[in-house]
Amino acid sequence: AQSVAQPEDQVNVAEGNPLTVKCTYSVSGNPYLFWYVQYPNRGLQFLLKYITGDNLVKGSYGFEAEFNKSQTSFHLKKPSALVSDSALYFCAVRDSTSGGSYIPTFGRGTSLIVHP
Amino acid sequence: DAGVIQSPRHEVTEMGQEVTLRCKPISGHDYLFWYRQTMMRGLELLIYFNNNVPIDDSGMPEDRFSAKMPNASFSTLKIQPSEPRDSAVYFCASSRGQAETQYFGPGTRLLVL
Repeated sequence: AQSVAQPEDQVNVAEGNPLTVKCTYSVSGNPYLFWYVQYPNRGLQFLLKYITGDNLVKGSYGFEAEFNKSQTSFHLKKPSALVSDSALYFCAVRDSTSGGSYIPTFGRGTSLIVHP
Repeated sequence: DAGVIQSPRHEVTEMGQEVTLRCKPISGHDYLFWYRQTMMRGLELLIYFNNNVPIDDSGMPEDRFSAKMPNASFSTLKIQPSEPRDSAVYFCASSRGQAETQYFGPGTRLLVL
């Protein structure tokens, strides 16, 4: 079975400060990991994904995420937050093993609020 | 490409009425997903199709919900009869491959009175 957890419902950060949105996962084999962002009244948009290779993945809008196998985490980060980054962020995971679900499972989402 | 297209964007209806939501996936994508998003339950996968064939409908909440994909460029999600608890934002998404990036439409905001 595969599962994903976003332990924080909301993250508050001041503009210009670094931000981290946390994600942990559980899979039987190796994970495929995704981050999506949802702006108000919009659909989810793809930010970045990890399939294999370098543990640090760079994505859109200056975001990056670090895959940590020992901690089963895939936290989303940005060095300097913008007010326009305020949105709902979703982590998703898919188990790469043949016995796992072929469809990614989404977390419940974390609301990021960046204060001016 | 125009992306995933959903219609209508907003729907207000009365309890007991039939509601039909429509989706046009991105051309060339072979997977289509229907999701429901609410504050209480978050994002829920309702059903997904591969090459127009329904693969897993275990997320469909009740028999009142049905989905079809008559061809590669069109899918519908129907609720009959609708109930107030069906009020939510319904998203359609498509992907090229089952584990690949999903592209979401703008959603249909449904309000059942």
